[in-house]
Amino acid sequence: NAGVTQTPKFQVLKTGQSMTLQCAQDMNHNSMYWYRQDPGMGLRLIYYSASEGTTDKGEVPNGYNVSRLNKREFSLRLESAAPSQTSVYFCATPPGAEDTQYFGPGTRLTVL
Amino acid sequence: QKEVEQNSGPLSVPEGAIASLNCTYSDRGSQSFFWYRQYSGKSPELIMFIYSNGDKEDGRFTAQLNKASQYVSLLIRDSQPSDSATYLCAVSGTGNQFYFGTGTSLTVIP
Repeated sequence: NAGVTQTPKFQVLKTGQSMTLQCAQDMNHNSMYWYRQDPGMGLRLIYYSASEGTTDKGEVPNGYNVSRLNKREFSLRLESAAPSQTSVYFCATPPGAEDTQYFGPGTRLTVL
Repeated sequence: QKEVEQNSGPLSVPEGAIASLNCTYSDRGSQSFFWYRQYSGKSPELIMFIYSNGDKEDGRFTAQLNKASQYVSLLIRDSQPSDSATYLCAVSGTGNQFYFGTGTSLTVIP
């Protein structure tokens, strides 16, 4: 997971609580992505950012907000957590040259 | 909703055999196609991507793309126990979006 860091690694929330997942990359990529992965499922795009200051919705944006205040950082916020948001969340850079792409280590979130 | 379909498996092959993983997609406009390996509890790792019809080889891995049939596959030659993982197929969509299949679980038996 060189180059992309995520915090926290684990989190347990109660329904209705809020939290922010942090992601940072040091590879100077313009684009960054937030995915969620549920058991037995592939990754689903929540939001992406094509450049600093811009964000766009992906497949499953409801219940989430994002912020891309600078090129390095892309945060994901749950304003009022619901059990349906129990998942593993990955931050990632886009695929690049020489078949490279970097994912963060993931945040394992449980909402009770 | 863009659809990417994979057989969930599990697929079991003996060590040294060829593992064949398949993926179909619904969007004829997709331009790029990706294969990832994901070990249990870990992040996905990009193995390779392909965007032209035909084959692309990288070591023991070969990706095959047939846009007319909307089909992409991954062959793993000389399979090793360390190849045991879930393999995810993904295709590009409009803008910067990517759509993933649910993955195929591969077990290589020593």
